[in-house]
Amino acid sequence: DAGVIQSPRHEVTEMGQEVTLRCKPISGHDYLFWYRQTMMRGLELLIYFNNNVPIDDSGMPEDRFSAKMPNASFSTLKIQPSEPRDSAVYFCASSFPGRAGEQFFGPGTRLTVL
Amino acid sequence: EDKVVQSPLSLVVHEGDTVTLNCSYEVTNFRSLLWYKQEKKAPTFLFMLTSSGIEKKSGRLSSILDKKELFSILNITATQTGDSAIYLCAVEADTLIQGAQKLVFGQGTRLTINP
Repeated sequence: DAGVIQSPRHEVTEMGQEVTLRCKPISGHDYLFWYRQTMMRGLELLIYFNNNVPIDDSGMPEDRFSAKMPNASFSTLKIQPSEPRDSAVYFCASSFPGRAGEQFFGPGTRLTVL
Repeated sequence: EDKVVQSPLSLVVHEGDTVTLNCSYEVTNFRSLLWYKQEKKAPTFLFMLTSSGIEKKSGRLSSILDKKELFSILNITATQTGDSAIYLCAVEADTLIQGAQKLVFGQGTRLTINP
């Protein structure tokens, strides 16, 4: 298995633009998590899905952020409009049924908003 | 509010030293405690602990959980420069939604091993 796949790996955009981050979880995993990591705030859980259904989105910072999981093999995190304070590394992770704690992380997307 | 606190936040030692990293937690509906290692890229899983007093070992790394005092420690003996990383502690807890769990991360300990 190729592991969790994220794209793009790097994204540089200007303030106000829409940004879409993509994730393909490991096949057979039914949990999918989106995290944001910054030096100041560490690793923060934004939202997670179980069987494609959003379970907890309390970590989503504001309405500019949205996430979808249309099927078991694909999820997106969208920021519209983007702001400089959104600059961070965004990780996607997935895990096996009943083992939400043992997560496999993707390589991350480094987002820079100018 | 669920909380995971790690200490120290930063630690610098010499190669060959032994280090102990600490993690305390306050979580409702605890299921397990996990340790992750993050080098330059994404976190990678190290240990999962569910029972008190049972030590998990992997080479020079070992960890133990105390569910009464709500903490865990991660020990690394005979440290090497390759052990330099951020070590993250996380607690898995049940949510109000049946069958669903969540993971709460601590802020991490940045460990630097100097040659």
